[in-house]
Amino acid sequence: EDQVTQSPEALRLQEGESSSLNCSYTVSGLRGLFWYRQDPGKGPEFLFTLYSAGEEKEKERLKATLTKKESFLHITAPKPEDSATYLCAVQAGTNAGKSTFGDGTTLTVKP
Amino acid sequence: DAGVIQSPRHEVTEMGQEVTLRCKPISGHNSLFWYRQTMMRGLELLIYFNNNVPIDDSGMPEDRFSAKMPNASFSTLKIQPSEPRDSAVYFCASSPQGNSNQPQHFGDGTRLSIL
Repeated sequence: EDQVTQSPEALRLQEGESSSLNCSYTVSGLRGLFWYRQDPGKGPEFLFTLYSAGEEKEKERLKATLTKKESFLHITAPKPEDSATYLCAVQAGTNAGKSTFGDGTTLTVKP
Repeated sequence: DAGVIQSPRHEVTEMGQEVTLRCKPISGHNSLFWYRQTMMRGLELLIYFNNNVPIDDSGMPEDRFSAKMPNASFSTLKIQPSEPRDSAVYFCASSPQGNSNQPQHFGDGTRLSIL
């Protein structure tokens, strides 16, 4: 069974204080790892897809990286508007199209 | 482009009543997913469809839950009879093609409260 574990559960940062969120996964045949952002009262919004170890993607203050066992979402000089819950999900070979989600990390950035 | 559209946004009803949640996926997307989100259990996949055909309904909690996709632009999730423990936010998501490792696009959910 595919498993996704995110840490920490919650993270509080001061504006400008860089940090990283972790997503550890156990799957048979990774086909894709996805990062989403979820704001209160909204559905998850897609951020990045990573397909193979060593791959990196960037968007504004966010950078996602992937190894064979985990992914990191690095947040550089965060702003209060980056406050949200960040979800990680995997798709594996035997369940093509079906995503298994982690429980998320709730990020709060204080001005 | 219109995203995934869910209705209603909020539903409050009494235990034992039938509840029907509706979803319109993004045009051209072939896969549709129903999820339930709670604080205790996070985001759980209930069922998903490829080309209107149910592929995996192993996440449907019990026979009180049923889902249909009569055509490519519409799906329903029905709970009958509803119970207080069904209270949650229900999300619908769609993606371009089931086997192509594509991200999912979510609607804004239906917040369901069963009294």
